[in-house]
Formats: sequence, C-alpha cells, structure tokens
Amino acid sequence: AQSVTQPDIHITVSEGASLELRCNYSYGATPYLFWYVQSPGQGLQLLLKYFSGDTLVQGIKGFEAEFKRSQSSFNLRKPSVHWSDAAEYFCALYSSASKIIFGSGTRLSIRP
Amino acid sequence: DTEVTQTPKHLVMGMTNKKSLKCEQHMGHRAMYWYKQKAKKPPELMFVYSYEKLSINESVPSRFSPECPNSSLLNLHLHALQPEDSALYLCASSLTGGADTQYFGPGTRLTVL
Repeated sequence: AQSVTQPDIHITVSEGASLELRCNYSYGATPYLFWYVQSPGQGLQLLLKYFSGDTLVQGIKGFEAEFKRSQSSFNLRKPSVHWSDAAEYFCALYSSASKIIFGSGTRLSIRP
Repeated sequence: DTEVTQTPKHLVMGMTNKKSLKCEQHMGHRAMYWYKQKAKKPPELMFVYSYEKLSINESVPSRFSPECPNSSLLNLHLHALQPEDSALYLCASSLTGGADTQYFGPGTRLTVL
C-alpha cells in the first residue's frame, strides 16, 4: 500500500539551530515526493520536490531534502532556522490519477 | 502569475443556507482541485477537474457540488451543510494533472452553524 509517514508530530528547535524533519514513504516504484509548508490558516506552499535525478534537492527558503531509496526516506533539512519557519510541514507522495498522499504533518515551533 | 486566489476568506453559514466558494487561477493550468482540511490534519482530496471535466469525486456528499465554468475558474456550491463540514477548503491547480506540482490557494475558512 502507498503511504507517507511523518513520525514527529511536533518538533521545537532553537532559532539558528539546524533542523531535520523526517519522512518515510511506501511506494512500489520510483516515487514522486514533495514537501509543503503551511502557516496557520494559510494554504500550502511547495518547498521542493523530487521526481528523479540528483537525490539531494534544493528548495526555497534555504531548505533541502535528500531522497534515500534504501531507507524509503525523504527528510527535509535546513542548516539554520529562523522564527518565520514556524509552521506545519507536510511530506507528500504522488499516488496515481492526480492524487497526492499527504503525511500527517509535523508542527515546527521555534524557541527564541 | 503563480497565484491561486480564493474567495471569500471566511464564510459563516447556517445549515439551510446556500453559498458558493470561488477559486481562480491564471497560470494556464488545466487541472483544478478541491481539498478539505480539518484542524491539525492534512488536506483531504474532494474533487479533481481535468480540462473542465470532473475526473475524480472522492465520494463526497451531494451537499457539495463542484463546478468548473472555464479553465481558470472553479466553484464549490454548498447546500444544507452540517456543522461537521466546518473546515478550511483549499483549492489547487496544476499544469495538466497527474504528478504535476499542485499550487494551492490560501483557502476559505468555513464555519457551519
């Protein structure tokens, strides 16, 4: 079955610290993977996506993600977080017929 | 222009009201989507339109009625809703559907009294 798991419901990091948000997927073929960010009461903004090629993907706002097929993971990283990064982060997997499977989300809080 | 707009931002309606949500994009995208998002949950797909034709209905109750009058506009007509339908309704669009990146609007916060 196709699925996306985000093991961390809530993470708090200090401003300026590094960040890694975990995402694991289950998919039979080469996956198409996305990371979206959602600020409170707002829509989703695409941070980055992986379709094929280089397994280290650069995105907007200084984020990057690494696709690891052997671990079925697509973890999101940022070397130094800013208070404005506080938001909900969703990992997502393209399923079929225009459908995306979202993970349950990870809420990121920033400690001043 | 990489923006999906949605109106209104907030909507409060009674269970007997009829209202509509509107979504617009001018990116030339031919696939448009409606999602429902409850608090602290990921978005749930409701409908997909591809080239102005309804291609996916995720078993949504008939009190929700989508409409795609043209390639830039997507409506969601609401009638006889229940309080549990209160949620953030998100519209998205993508170039042609499939695995194309979906671009989301800011959403309409719906409260059903």
